Amino acid sequence: AQSVTQLDSQVPVFEEAPVELRCNYSSSVSVYLFWYVQYPNQGLQLLLKYLSGSTLVKGINGFEAEFNKSQTSFHLRKPSVHISDTAEYFCAVSAPTGTASKLTFGTGTRLQVTL
Amino acid sequence: GAVVSQHPSWVICKSGTSVKIECRSLDFQATTMFWYRQFPKQSLMLMATSNEGSKATYEQGVEKDKFLINHASLTLSTLTVTSAHPEDSSFYICSARDVWNQPQHFGDGTRLSIL
Repeated sequence: AQSVTQLDSQVPVFEEAPVELRCNYSSSVSVYLFWYVQYPNQGLQLLLKYLSGSTLVKGINGFEAEFNKSQTSFHLRKPSVHISDTAEYFCAVSAPTGTASKLTFGTGTRLQVTL
Repeated sequence: GAVVSQHPSWVICKSGTSVKIECRSLDFQATTMFWYRQFPKQSLMLMATSNEGSKATYEQGVEKDKFLINHASLTLSTLTVTSAHPEDSSFYICSARDVWNQPQHFGDGTRLSIL
């Protein structure tokens, strides 16, 4: 079984400042890792994913994340945030076990960008 | 690409009625669809996984007779909340995936309010 920990429930940041949203996972097998963003009253939109290969993954809207196997982390970063980045961000993990593979989500981090 | 449409986006109904929510993959064939429930300010809780043409696999604690899932085609899955009661009020989100090692694509969710 896998688990995901997002230590920060809320992250306040000023516009144009850098931000890092932390994600740590636990798994006894290799995993796929994802970051999703959820705007109010909407579903989830995929920001980026790590399946294999380069540990630095670039996603949409200027976000990137780095897979660190030794630290079992997949932190999300953006060098300069915008007001429109205010949303809930979810880290998720799945095991590459075929059709039964399911996503396990973290509890989410609320990114609040202010002027 | 990879658009998932969920309908309706908001429904209010009386206690005791049944409500059907549709989830459609618009531009890909969804071999697997997932149904989630999300409580306010919380993460997504997987309710069930359905593969086209097969019975849904429900997560522990989810009532099969209460939440009927049908995945009759590669582009459509439905969730029917039978004899809904106020405690069933929640945000329900579907997702779909074509290949097992590809990300899930999410619908925009359905806000269900039972009076």
